[in-house]
Amino acid sequence: GDSVTQTEGQVTVSESKSLIINCTYSATSIGYPNLFWYVRYPGEGLQLLLKVITAGQKGSSRGFEATYNKEATSFHLQKASVQESDSAVYYCALSDPSGSWQLIFGSGTQLTVMP
Amino acid sequence: EAAVTQSPRNKVAVTGGKVTLSCNQTNNHNNMYWYRQDTGHGLRLIHYSYGAGSTEKGDIPDGYKASRPSQENFSLILELATPSQTSVYFCASGAGTGLNTGQLYFGEGSKLTVL
Repeated sequence: GDSVTQTEGQVTVSESKSLIINCTYSATSIGYPNLFWYVRYPGEGLQLLLKVITAGQKGSSRGFEATYNKEATSFHLQKASVQESDSAVYYCALSDPSGSWQLIFGSGTQLTVMP
Repeated sequence: EAAVTQSPRNKVAVTGGKVTLSCNQTNNHNNMYWYRQDTGHGLRLIHYSYGAGSTEKGDIPDGYKASRPSQENFSLILELATPSQTSVYFCASGAGTGLNTGQLYFGEGSKLTVL
């Protein structure tokens, strides 16, 4: 079945430094899945950060970017300069037709930005 | 602003007891979902619904029932709670079908502890 892997459970970065959160995926569909990043801020529900449905394209939101790399089956999340308010849990996810388009989530990465 | 609200936000139950987690959405979305989140795991789909009167099994439905009496409400029922069901539960709603299924709106989560 489909799967999403986030290798880092926790990441700590100093404010104004760059960030990369790794995400790789495996999808059984012969087509290309849709890829997502969701974020959960403290005390809130998950919310969609960005979405990319076309291989090779880049999505961006709130200073974050992620590129759909079908060769590497990766969808890493990057930001050039993080802020303390970016501290949250970040989830990579995919959906594809073999799974009736239901979301499959990675295990999440807790980002802590130090002032 | 789209809204999904869950109740209760925190619940302590005894083994063998019945637990009902409720979810209400004001988005007028057809699709609703129940996930659970455990440390080291991504969100895992328990049950979902395509509309009032319908419920479907997700990836981990054993030990859970679901009820969708109306467009707005979707409940998760644990008839005989067990300690292994201690978790954080998230409800979500979504309007999309097919390619747009992955764009979901989440509640803040319900923390359940079964002693």
